[in-house]
Amino acid sequence: DAGVIQSPRHEVTEMGQEVTLRCKPISGHDYLFWYRQTMMRGLELLIYFNNNVPIDDSGMPEDRFSAKMPNASFSTLKIQPSEPRDSAVYFCASAPRGDTEAFFGQGTRLTVV
Amino acid sequence: DQQVKQNSPSLSVQEGRISILNCDYTNSMFDYFLWYKKYPAEGPTFLISISSIKDKNEDGRFTVFLNKSAKHLSLHIVPSQPGDSAVYFCAAVSSGSARQLTFGSGTQLTVLP
Repeated sequence: DAGVIQSPRHEVTEMGQEVTLRCKPISGHDYLFWYRQTMMRGLELLIYFNNNVPIDDSGMPEDRFSAKMPNASFSTLKIQPSEPRDSAVYFCASAPRGDTEAFFGQGTRLTVV
Repeated sequence: DQQVKQNSPSLSVQEGRISILNCDYTNSMFDYFLWYKKYPAEGPTFLISISSIKDKNEDGRFTVFLNKSAKHLSLHIVPSQPGDSAVYFCAAVSSGSARQLTFGSGTQLTVLP
């Protein structure tokens, strides 16, 4: 398996634009997580899914953020409208049922100017 | 309020010597702890874990120690190698919160040749 695949690797956008981050989890994994890494807050969980269903989105910072998982092999994290303070590295991770260790993608570095 | 704290943002160690990375937590509900390693431009990768029913877990050069009464865990790397230079994240999870990993802010380890 190629691991968790995220796209794009880098995204630069202007303030106010919509940004969509994509993630393909490892096949067979039941859990999918979206994390954000910043210098100030480190790695923080935004939302996670179990069997494509959002379980906990309490980490989503504001209504400008939304996440979907239409099927077991694809998830998106959307920011609309984007703001400079959203600049961070966004990681997607997946985990199989019964395991705690999550496998991370390489991340998307988002820069909002 | 940070529930998992890594108070040392950086650590430098000479090759061949022991590296000790520390982590403190405040939530007494945490019962499983993990260490992740992260290289630049890559996602975190799982390194080693420990359950709260143990006080030590060893895997090759890596050993994690858990002191529940002090709410403290540490990662020992011996002997340290230049390839160990990376950011190390401590993470914790409680069985009641499914797979929600709470991460520390990370410690940058530099192993000097």
